[in-house]
Amino acid sequence: NAGVMQNPRHLVRRRGQEARLRCSPMKGHSHVYWYRQLPEEGLKFMVYLQKENIIDESGMPKERFSAEFPKEGPSILRIQQVVRGDSAAYFCASSRGQGVDTQYFGPGTRLTVL
Amino acid sequence: AQSVTQLDSQVPVFEEAPVELRCNYSSSVSVYLFWYVQYPNQGLQLLLKYLSGSTLVKGINGFEAEFNKSQTSFHLRKPSVHISDTAEYFCAVSGRDNDMRFGAGTRLTVKP
Repeated sequence: NAGVMQNPRHLVRRRGQEARLRCSPMKGHSHVYWYRQLPEEGLKFMVYLQKENIIDESGMPKERFSAEFPKEGPSILRIQQVVRGDSAAYFCASSRGQGVDTQYFGPGTRLTVL
Repeated sequence: AQSVTQLDSQVPVFEEAPVELRCNYSSSVSVYLFWYVQYPNQGLQLLLKYLSGSTLVKGINGFEAEFNKSQTSFHLRKPSVHISDTAEYFCAVSGRDNDMRFGAGTRLTVKP
């Protein structure tokens, strides 16, 4: 019974390149959340998605960041033209449905921008 | 909107001693409260949650927390810690829309 899966676990990009982070939710879960964790800080909410819908993107930077959760396949967090300040751990979580429900976290993707 | 304050960024404690990690929240609506643990280079693991009912919640690894509505607190406790409890602990609050917000974390270091 696989948990939330994220890949890659580590990603290195040079400034100006694109980063694509993938998240496969737990089986039976249709809600996905993305969080960013900067060094020595807590998790900051970025975006909440259901299949083919963005529910809440209030935590997403207005430029360069986008997220999707297509009908088929994993959720993708995309960062265009990365800068050094994007270096962080990005965590994905999933939950079963609407309303209050436990979020289960993946192991994270650690993005390093050189 | 809800928010969480974890009052201690670091808590050092000796093995077998009791520990309390403090968490205060603010919210204008019904709240649901969570504690997660993060071991180095890993994701977050749910320790316990309060959704309704008894205000004393028991979780995994011997941890428990008490929801105190009048003091808007949800402090995490363990009567006797082990070296293996060394980790980062995050308190989180959510509303009905599952819009979870995390505190900045408390680093628990258990010393022999």
